Amino acid sequence: GAGVSQTPSNKVTEKGKYVELRCDPISGHTALYWYRQSLGQGPEFLIYFQGTGAADDSGLPNDRFFAVRPEGSVSTLKIQRTERGDSAVYLCASSFDSGGADTQYFGPGTRLTVL
Amino acid sequence: ILNVEQSPQSLHVQEGDSTNFTCSFPSSNFYALHWYRWETAKSPEALFVMTLNGDEKKKGRISATLNTKEGYSYLYIKGSQPEDSATYLCAFWNAGNMLTFGGGTRLMVKP
Repeated sequence: GAGVSQTPSNKVTEKGKYVELRCDPISGHTALYWYRQSLGQGPEFLIYFQGTGAADDSGLPNDRFFAVRPEGSVSTLKIQRTERGDSAVYLCASSFDSGGADTQYFGPGTRLTVL
Repeated sequence: ILNVEQSPQSLHVQEGDSTNFTCSFPSSNFYALHWYRWETAKSPEALFVMTLNGDEKKKGRISATLNTKEGYSYLYIKGSQPEDSATYLCAFWNAGNMLTFGGGTRLMVKP
């Protein structure tokens, strides 16, 4: 079946611009996660959705970052007034449930470059 | 702040060599340990989810062990092949809502 998809695969933008990154999870998965991977580091947690609600947004670095999942399926990560330090690979993952032993299935990521 | 460490950071081996790498994590409030393989330009692929002390899991030539009391997991690859070249990530889940990842071990297998 279809896995997790993310669009765009690459995004180049200028400092100060607004960007949206989209994630299509596996159908039927209630939990959705966003992570960010900077060069040379492991992925870092940003936000977690259970259904439509953001159950934990403690990883969002500041208020320029926002994410939604209005119908409990597709999610959009929104970054306002982008900065060069936002350049990273943004990964989305989904799982059937939100327990720690549930496998998270990852998309291929969106590579964001802020010039 | 949870600290998940992986060693070595990178590893070069010859085709046919067996290899292993380490993931260390906090031993308190343990719930699960995940291993992923991430090839360039692809999605991270789930290898194992381990929850019990002493767990051993195997998938083809790859296996993993878990020691929750001392806070470490080993990943073994037997008879490495060039297609095993990837970054191997471990991730720890405690009582929170997210995976905390290590920095990964980048494996390069030379033909």
